[in-house]
Amino acid sequence: AQSVTQPDIHITVSEGASLELRCNYSYGATPYLFWYVQSPGQGLQLLLKYFSGDTLVQGIKGFEAEFKRSQSSFNLRKPSVHWSDAAEYFCAVGASGNTPLVFGKGTRLSVIA
Amino acid sequence: DGGITQSPKYLFRKEGQNVTLSCEQNLNHDAMYWYRQDPGQGLRLIYYSQIVNDFQKGDIAEGYSVSREKKESFPLTVTSAQKNPTAFYLCASSRREQNTGELFFGEGSRLTVL
Repeated sequence: AQSVTQPDIHITVSEGASLELRCNYSYGATPYLFWYVQSPGQGLQLLLKYFSGDTLVQGIKGFEAEFKRSQSSFNLRKPSVHWSDAAEYFCAVGASGNTPLVFGKGTRLSVIA
Repeated sequence: DGGITQSPKYLFRKEGQNVTLSCEQNLNHDAMYWYRQDPGQGLRLIYYSQIVNDFQKGDIAEGYSVSREKKESFPLTVTSAQKNPTAFYLCASSRREQNTGELFFGEGSRLTVL
């Protein structure tokens, strides 16, 4: 069975600073990997996804993530954070056969001026 | 516009009452899911359905029930047997033919049991 660990519960960054949110997964085969973002009281929006091919994937809102098989990681990055990026971020892992996604516990991002 | 509609957005109920949360999608997706979200717990799977008239328990199905009589609809009933029903509930759907499990989410329903 798949599992996901997001080691950081809460991260605070200054506006304009770079950001990296960590995600480690456990799965025996090549996983399907996702990052979702959630604003307070809202549903989840897909930021980006990795299925196969190029290990650096680009998403919406200037986010990117890199799949590193050797480290079982799929970290999310953004070169310059905007105040509107403050939200909760979830990493998720899936497998073929439409098994339900397994989510990490999330990382809450705060942005300060 | 295609999407997933959850209703109501906010719901208050007294302890011991059953509550049904609605989830409707017009994305023509085969699979639908219910997740529960609690602070610091992430999303936990309650039930999911890959096709009409079939559904499977997730990790925390106790105290919940579902039905899937139509492709577009996947209502969730929170029964009086659910020990701690106050939570944020998220409905999602996916395209079964895509085979990756990528989820599209509704806006959620917040249930508060008084």
